[in-house]
Amino acid sequence: GAGVSQSPRYKVAKRGQDVALRCDPISGHVSLFWYQQALGQGPEFLTYFQNEAQLDKSGLPSDRFFAERPEGSVSTLKIQRTQQEDSAVYLCASTLLGAGGWRETQYFGPGTRLLVL
Amino acid sequence: TQLLEQSPQFLSIQEGENLTVYCNSSSVFSSLQWYRQEPGEGPVLLVTVVTGGEVKKLKRLTFQFGDARKDSSLHITAAQPGDTGLYLCAGQISNFGNEKLTFGTGTRLTIIP
Repeated sequence: GAGVSQSPRYKVAKRGQDVALRCDPISGHVSLFWYQQALGQGPEFLTYFQNEAQLDKSGLPSDRFFAERPEGSVSTLKIQRTQQEDSAVYLCASTLLGAGGWRETQYFGPGTRLLVL
Repeated sequence: TQLLEQSPQFLSIQEGENLTVYCNSSSVFSSLQWYRQEPGEGPVLLVTVVTGGEVKKLKRLTFQFGDARKDSSLHITAAQPGDTGLYLCAGQISNFGNEKLTFGTGTRLTIIP
């Protein structure tokens, strides 16, 4: 596809359920980022991959959050035992290389809106 | 914890008016970006400023990076309903390598026809 796609677009989970959110980056993009955007706030960094390697996971809020990108393309963000404070929009972004700092544009997907009841 | 504070948080003005949105931090950034986000979509990059004091214009939008590279502003002239959206500033600490974005708190702009 032409852009970053994410699925599902909406997810309602009962507290305690596990969820898996998928990101398909732009084809050929090496770097992939996950951000969490709470209602009325700006996005906050969760984790970053370069190819299949997870190079930075400093933003993951707890050990209930786990991300993977096993083949260096599609990525999955998994949240175990969801809690109400996990309700947010989860955004995925990709860049072509990831070595150029601001010179490389991060292209964002539409996000997955997660609501935990 | 968000290091970039935006003001105002909400702004509702009449079509044709001018407005300024501010993005402030106590940290120095190597670059500052402005994004616009529509409901149900991800942020879309508008501009990147990298030099202290830099001014960039994009049609009716003027972006400025503070001399100390700690703050930035977005000025819109003769606002139009199509300008409605969530405006986000975002900074990067490093010039190179892979750099996560540190986003501001956002300014929700509504232009009334």
